[in-house]
Amino acid sequence: GAVVSQHPSRVICKSGTSVKIECRSLDFQATTMFWYRQFPKQSLMLMATSNEGSKATYEQGVEKDKFLINHASLTLSTLTVTSAHPEDSSFYICSASTGGTYEQYFGPGTRLTVT
Amino acid sequence: GIQVEQSPPDLILQEGANSTLRCNFSDSVNNLQWFHQNPWGQLINLFYIPSGTKQNGRLSATTVATERYSLLYISSSQTTDSGVYFCAVELGGNKLVFGAGTILRVKS
Repeated sequence: GAVVSQHPSRVICKSGTSVKIECRSLDFQATTMFWYRQFPKQSLMLMATSNEGSKATYEQGVEKDKFLINHASLTLSTLTVTSAHPEDSSFYICSASTGGTYEQYFGPGTRLTVT
Repeated sequence: GIQVEQSPPDLILQEGANSTLRCNFSDSVNNLQWFHQNPWGQLINLFYIPSGTKQNGRLSATTVATERYSLLYISSSQTTDSGVYFCAVELGGNKLVFGAGTILRVKS
């Protein structure tokens, strides 16, 4: 149980375009979902926390107008990178929490390359 | 903010060897998780361990919350154990703060 999927797994886009990444909890309802970014050979950095039906909470230094997060249901959260630039190229990973013990389960990640 | 330090940063083992990975944290935490990130980037939950000891097959973990550290033991290592091992501590609001990771390479 506790499976989280992400789509797409890999995306290449041109500078200035927007990209949407989906995160789904497949076999449980996730009251809270999280978005992380991981640069090569580095650790995961939390970008934002989203609760179903409410606005996301962004970590310091993360631009909320650039990284739009929508958590429309208990099984789906989306991250839209708007007006992407090469420095936004990274590995984006979502996680979902079941509540209760608050253990987080992670999606397989999305590798974004902006050319 | 809280500091999470993992050691060693890199580790090379011969298949069959045992190892211990350490995670120190600088403040009290609500919880602690250990993950294995495989070469494709997927994080796999290993342990959710706020305190005490847990075992799962060849892996076990111990967290001593009062002394602010956790240990991950890998016994009889296999090449499939290769990857990056992260510990992450849970703060208020269910947020996780990750350590820098230990890169493990198991040679056959």
